[in-house]
Amino acid sequence: RKEVEQDPGPFNVPEGATVAFNCTYSNSASQSFFWYRQDCRKEPKLLMSVYSSGNEDGRFTAQLNRASQYISLLIRDSKLSDSATYLCVVDNYNTDKLIFGTGTRLQVFP
Amino acid sequence: NAGVTQTPKFQVLKTGQSMTLQCAQDMNHNSMYWYRQDPGMGLRLIYYSASEGTTDKGEVPNGYNVSRLNKREFSLRLESAAPSQTSVYFCASSVLQSSGANVLTFGAGSRLTVL
Repeated sequence: RKEVEQDPGPFNVPEGATVAFNCTYSNSASQSFFWYRQDCRKEPKLLMSVYSSGNEDGRFTAQLNRASQYISLLIRDSKLSDSATYLCVVDNYNTDKLIFGTGTRLQVFP
Repeated sequence: NAGVTQTPKFQVLKTGQSMTLQCAQDMNHNSMYWYRQDPGMGLRLIYYSASEGTTDKGEVPNGYNVSRLNKREFSLRLESAAPSQTSVYFCASSVLQSSGANVLTFGAGSRLTVL
């Protein structure tokens, strides 16, 4: 089993739609969780950290489910500019390294 | 404030040639990293440096060497390039948040092709 797994997509959604991605992780001791965004041929950039209580940043909501070992990202009112690959990132508690998922590609169309 | 700067942006090598990827950060971060990104594989850690003067292997260190020249600079060297090292390379540096989490800032990437 991969340490961090994501559905690669692509998710093709119209503008204004709500879309959700899940990411599962294997190390139950992991403490830090993030969503990074990567545009085509660009570097990854931090979108948001994921806190135990869940957190929201504008149209983006991130949640953590420790019991089932997954994190989620919800995007409301999708914009064309949201088209990108979303990377799930989890710390490896044993080695203090960050493990990246392979990413979920989102394409928002007019 | 440039963040993380890496050079070159593009490079084509022949098998067996050597080259060094340069990385510098101006954010006074202690930790620096080199990742490679391949289709369907995600980002994989090659080497990292927790502080000036220390380096450690990551997930895929074979065929690479690194030097943490000072706090700002962390270089990645390919001594004898192989086609399997064709990839996009990202340098990153990190700061520890108050929550204890490491947040990475990446350079723009270096696209390397080995023929």
